[in-house]
Amino acid sequence: GAVVSQHPSWVICKSGTSVKIECRSLDFQATTMFWYRQFPKQSLMLMATSNEGSKATYEQGVEKDKFLINHASLTLSTLTVTSAHPEDSSFYICSASDAGGYQETQYFGPGTRLLVL
Amino acid sequence: KNEVEQSPQNLTAQEGEFITINCSYSVGISALHWLQQHPGGGIVSLFMLSSGKKKHGRLIATINIQEKHSSLHITASHPRDSAVYICAVRKETSGSRLTFGEGTQLTVNP
Repeated sequence: GAVVSQHPSWVICKSGTSVKIECRSLDFQATTMFWYRQFPKQSLMLMATSNEGSKATYEQGVEKDKFLINHASLTLSTLTVTSAHPEDSSFYICSASDAGGYQETQYFGPGTRLLVL
Repeated sequence: KNEVEQSPQNLTAQEGEFITINCSYSVGISALHWLQQHPGGGIVSLFMLSSGKKKHGRLIATINIQEKHSSLHITASHPRDSAVYICAVRKETSGSRLTFGEGTQLTVNP
């Protein structure tokens, strides 16, 4: 099946620093990538939808200036958490779809655990 | 009330038992996904359904569009099936975005 990777898998940073998380589709071209956040014992929460070559669409309540998303190629999307604070500590997961997201399944990355001290 | 509801929230079974996890939704959908999340956090897409039934190994997923209900069955359960199973729907009005259920924590004891 299709493979999606994320890097890093774990990151610990100091409050106020920025953290970049990469999401790559390894064996297919991802026209659409999704970024999710998951707090312990809770379900996934969609943060934004990213289409290659265009601006991301953010969900209500998600600060676009804090969570910068770049989808510069068909195999790579990045999420940058700017000026991270302890409340940003969470599990961030990306998923990728190879058909505009409308008909095909989403392939999920392994996730990135972020701890902000 | 959540648009996607799963039951039960927690399920403990003995190895070999037949397991059923249910998902009900209250919106029009174009597709329903069953996902598996392991303790490490990684998510695997098990099924995508828009009608009928699908089978993969010991896993069977069914959907009844009229009743807005789907079930995930695991036959001959094994401890390695222990995970969180998540039902997610693609709403007719939300394009490609998924709406998730709260998940069902399954523990299969040897």
